[in-house]
Amino acid sequence: SQQGEEDPQALSIQEGENATMNCSYKTSINNLQWYRQNSGRGLVHLILIRSNEREKHSGRLRVTLDTSKKSSSLLITASRAADTASYFCAPDTGRRALTFGSGTRLQVQP
Amino acid sequence: DVKVTQSSRYLVKRTGEKVFLECVQDMDHENMFWYRQDPGLGLRLIYFSYDVKMKEKGDIPEGYSVSREKKERFSLILESASTNQTSMYLCAREGSWPKNIQYFGAGTRLSVL
Repeated sequence: SQQGEEDPQALSIQEGENATMNCSYKTSINNLQWYRQNSGRGLVHLILIRSNEREKHSGRLRVTLDTSKKSSSLLITASRAADTASYFCAPDTGRRALTFGSGTRLQVQP
Repeated sequence: DVKVTQSSRYLVKRTGEKVFLECVQDMDHENMFWYRQDPGLGLRLIYFSYDVKMKEKGDIPEGYSVSREKKERFSLILESASTNQTSMYLCAREGSWPKNIQYFGAGTRLSVL
């Protein structure tokens, strides 16, 4: 499968803590994207990191990419209850369509 | 603000019914997608369309068909609904730049009884 595999499947933390989610993939990529899904809603694009980038920041989000290990991580710093959602990675392998895994369910306890 | 609108948030249908799920985008983008999402299985691509009247099967097209008569509208059709098609259905369109960012609708939760 060309989809990303997120790890862990579920994560529960306290408000103010950092949350780290990981993504592994199998083939070479053009870029890798992270999406967020609130319960019962559609996915929302968070951040894109290109294959020649190693790290990217957006607000409280930090994404790293290691193409030699075919892995990426998403770090959410100083988490808030509103960050409770599922997070998905989507490696872009050049196919017409992205593929998505099962995601990491993040629960931030107030 | 990007808009992808799915006509229904919740839908209940009977086994054997023909079901239409409608998706409308606010722009003039070629690529549109239909996914279904089930617990533990993630999002699975059913069909996508790269222009009017152009379509391509995704990973799980069986039991589904699609229609794209106008660029802004992409419909998913369940010819004869079955209980195993009970799921969350998500429509998406591609962005402008970077081109492959996807913008999703709010989803349609379909129950087939």
